[in-house]
Amino acid sequence: AQSVTQPDIHITVSEGASLELRCNYSYGATPYLFWYVQSPGQGLQLLLKYFSGDTLVQGIKGFEAEFKRSQSSFNLRKPSVHWSDAAEYFCAVGASNAGNMLTFGGGTRLMVKP
Amino acid sequence: EPEVTQTPSHQVTQMGQEVILRCVPISNHLYFYWYRQILGQKVEFLVSFYNNEISEKSEIFDDQFSVERPDGSNFTLKIRSTKLEDSAMYFCASRGTGGSPLHFGNGTRLTVT
Repeated sequence: AQSVTQPDIHITVSEGASLELRCNYSYGATPYLFWYVQSPGQGLQLLLKYFSGDTLVQGIKGFEAEFKRSQSSFNLRKPSVHWSDAAEYFCAVGASNAGNMLTFGGGTRLMVKP
Repeated sequence: EPEVTQTPSHQVTQMGQEVILRCVPISNHLYFYWYRQILGQKVEFLVSFYNNEISEKSEIFDDQFSVERPDGSNFTLKIRSTKLEDSAMYFCASRGTGGSPLHFGNGTRLTVT
């Protein structure tokens, strides 16, 4: 069975600092990996996705993520955090032949200090 | 940019009542989904729908749940007899063909009292 683990439930960073949110997955085949962001009162917005090819993928809002098969990880990074990045971030894994049925991690809540 | 829209944003109902959560997927999308997130827990897959039938469903999606695409634009989730544990945020999602990703709506917060 597929699973996703986000080890950090809460992270607080200062505005302008770099950010890395961890994601580890368990999946039997080549995974489709996603990062979503959920701002308060909003739905899940796709930040970026990895299907194949270059293991470093660029997303919206200055985010990037790196797929590392050997570590079963897909960590999300941003070089300089803005106060508006405060939100909850979800990593998810899916299979290409399962209608993109996604398994989500538990989420990491990011707080940004001024 | 096209959006998935969900109504209502918040629904309060009494235990045992039927509720219908409504979603309007993005117009050219063909695959439709419902997910839910109980407060403090993970987002969980409920059901996927394609070509007017359920393509996959989770263990959560028991006989109390049903989905329907009554016309060309709406996609609904019905809970026949709500229980307290059905209280959650319910997200609708849709996607196009190929490897296109899911687009989620803003969710409907269901509170069962």
